[in-house]
Amino acid sequence: DVKVTQSSRYLVKRTGEKVFLECVQDMDHENMFWYRQDPGLGLRLIYFSYDVKMKEKGDIPEGYSVSREKKERFSLILESASTNQTSMYLCASSLSIGRSGNTIYFGEGSWLTVV
Amino acid sequence: SQQGEEDPQALSIQEGENATMNCSYKTSINNLQWYRQNSGRGLVHLILIRSNEREKHSGRLRVTLDTSKKSSSLLITASRAADTASYFCATALYSTLTFGKGTMLLVSP
Repeated sequence: DVKVTQSSRYLVKRTGEKVFLECVQDMDHENMFWYRQDPGLGLRLIYFSYDVKMKEKGDIPEGYSVSREKKERFSLILESASTNQTSMYLCASSLSIGRSGNTIYFGEGSWLTVV
Repeated sequence: SQQGEEDPQALSIQEGENATMNCSYKTSINNLQWYRQNSGRGLVHLILIRSNEREKHSGRLRVTLDTSKKSSSLLITASRAADTASYFCATALYSTLTFGKGTMLLVSP
């Protein structure tokens, strides 16, 4: 089975702190994604990466950056955490999606609270 | 945005009844996928239907796709309490999936 592991399940950080959310997948997938999920807003794509050292902005990249130095690892970075970044963050990975019809595999989520 | 919109936002039924959820989207797609999320957990893939397909079945799940109306429906037959979860449709185009806001399904024993 595909496994997507998010390093932290629950985090509490202070405003202005630099926050790292780590994600590792074990299926050699090219694509990796970071979403955030908020009540009433569903899942929104922050960034995705289709190859090592490659990244693309999603719908809400402001206030976030990402790093993909190795194929299996995709990190989400909050340079200076703010209270409006309190949310559940979901990492996912997949083979190619569009025409190939592959699916996305999600991690269990990281609940981040910024105080 | 090609974001899907699920309808209804919430659905409450009794065990044994069928549950139908609908999804509408705005742009062309390669495929449409349905996912399930138990409370506080990650999403799990349920079923995928390609843009050239009209209907697909998997166990108690039946998905239809009408590309002319840009809509899809997910039917869960003979629902169980364990089906209680949020259900999301996701539209796929090129390299990304775009998710709707989800339907919360409550199945009471």
